[in-house]
Amino acid sequence: AQSVTQLDSHVSVSEGTPVLLRCNYSSSYSPSLFWYVQHPNKGLQLLLKYTSAATLVKGINGFEAEFKKSETSFHLTKPSAHMSDAAEYFCVVSDRGVKTIFGAGTRLFVKA
Amino acid sequence: AAGVIQSPRHLIKEKRETATLKCYPIPRHDTVYWYQQGPGQDPQFLISFYEKMQSDKGSIPDRFSAQQFSDYHSELNMSSLELGDSALYFCASSFTGTQMNNEQFFGPGTRLTVL
Repeated sequence: AQSVTQLDSHVSVSEGTPVLLRCNYSSSYSPSLFWYVQHPNKGLQLLLKYTSAATLVKGINGFEAEFKKSETSFHLTKPSAHMSDAAEYFCVVSDRGVKTIFGAGTRLFVKA
Repeated sequence: AAGVIQSPRHLIKEKRETATLKCYPIPRHDTVYWYQQGPGQDPQFLISFYEKMQSDKGSIPDRFSAQQFSDYHSELNMSSLELGDSALYFCASSFTGTQMNNEQFFGPGTRLTVL
């Protein structure tokens, strides 16, 4: 069985400081992992994905994530937060492209 | 580039009525997924179709049914609507083909309000 846990429901950072959104997963197979962002009243946009290639994945808007199999983690980071990064972020695990599980989401607040 | 199209974008129904949501995947995509996102909730997987066959089933109520047609578009039929069905319904598509775990491209969603 697969599952995904986003360890923080809310994260608050100041503009210009680093962002860390944590995600742990479990999967019976070699999973694919994704991070999606959802701005208020908007659809879901893919930030980045891991599909068993490089363990450090670079995405859009300066975000990146590192797949750590030993820790079953796929944390999302950004060196410097921008006000426009304020949104809901979802970590997603996909098992062979069929079953897809969303994490509960982490709401990122960015203070000026 | 073409994206996933969902119609209608907004829908208002009354309790016990029926609703049909439509999803048009990105051209050449062979897999469609439906999700339900309640207010303040994470998207919950409902059902998916690959090459017009149901590929997986999540937390879809028995009152709901879905299918994928020969042109790959999909429809989610919802009957005996309840207040709790009010949510944002997302459709996503991907190209699975011989490769698994391709990213899903999400549509803008249909906001269903049940009064």
